[in-house]
Amino acid sequence: DQQVKQNSPSLSVQEGRISILNCDYTNSMFDYFLWYKKYPAEGPTFLISISSIKDKNEDGRFTVFLNKSAKHLSLHIVPSQPGDSAVYFCAAGEYGNKLVFGAGTILRVKS
Amino acid sequence: DVKVTQSSRYLVKRTGEKVFLECVQDMDHENMFWYRQDPGLGLRLIYFSYDVKMKEKGDIPEGYSVSREKKERFSLILESASTNQTSMYLCASSPGDTDTQYFGPGTRLTVL
Repeated sequence: DQQVKQNSPSLSVQEGRISILNCDYTNSMFDYFLWYKKYPAEGPTFLISISSIKDKNEDGRFTVFLNKSAKHLSLHIVPSQPGDSAVYFCAAGEYGNKLVFGAGTILRVKS
Repeated sequence: DVKVTQSSRYLVKRTGEKVFLECVQDMDHENMFWYRQDPGLGLRLIYFSYDVKMKEKGDIPEGYSVSREKKERFSLILESASTNQTSMYLCASSPGDTDTQYFGPGTRLTVL
């Protein structure tokens, strides 16, 4: 049973517009959430995280929103750039425990 | 910067061979992890280690074993490689006081 789901396998966005990547989780014990970005033939790189005591965290063009009641988090990229084209993984876990990753969403930003 | 290195970027092995994948991190991290990444399945945890000589099974440990003799090095061993172990293998590490994991570049293993 997948505890972390990314229901959109891919997303295509025009350069300069907003990209919204979504992630749902089922385990209410999760209290730490992360987004990773992965280019082909490279390892994932950490992008941004949020703990369950917050509902928003912002870092430059990247903002993560957490809706605990809906068990949903999203990553907003504004404005989107061609270099943002990659696979994005969301991950969740309880502090001090292993992370559970989603299946990933391929983002394509068209110029 | 955290640096996690993996011994090979690409590896081709034959069915039945014993395969060793090495991972080294230079940030004195307590925790180390081995994942495999397959299309549509994301990253699945094979094994992890939170201290030297300690190991814990992840979600898919069958067919794999690990070794952590030194803090900076975590090895993944395929005892008898099979074609369904063809995958991208990713190593990661994290410090003891945070759950953010830092990944190596990955090893693309093909078992023929």
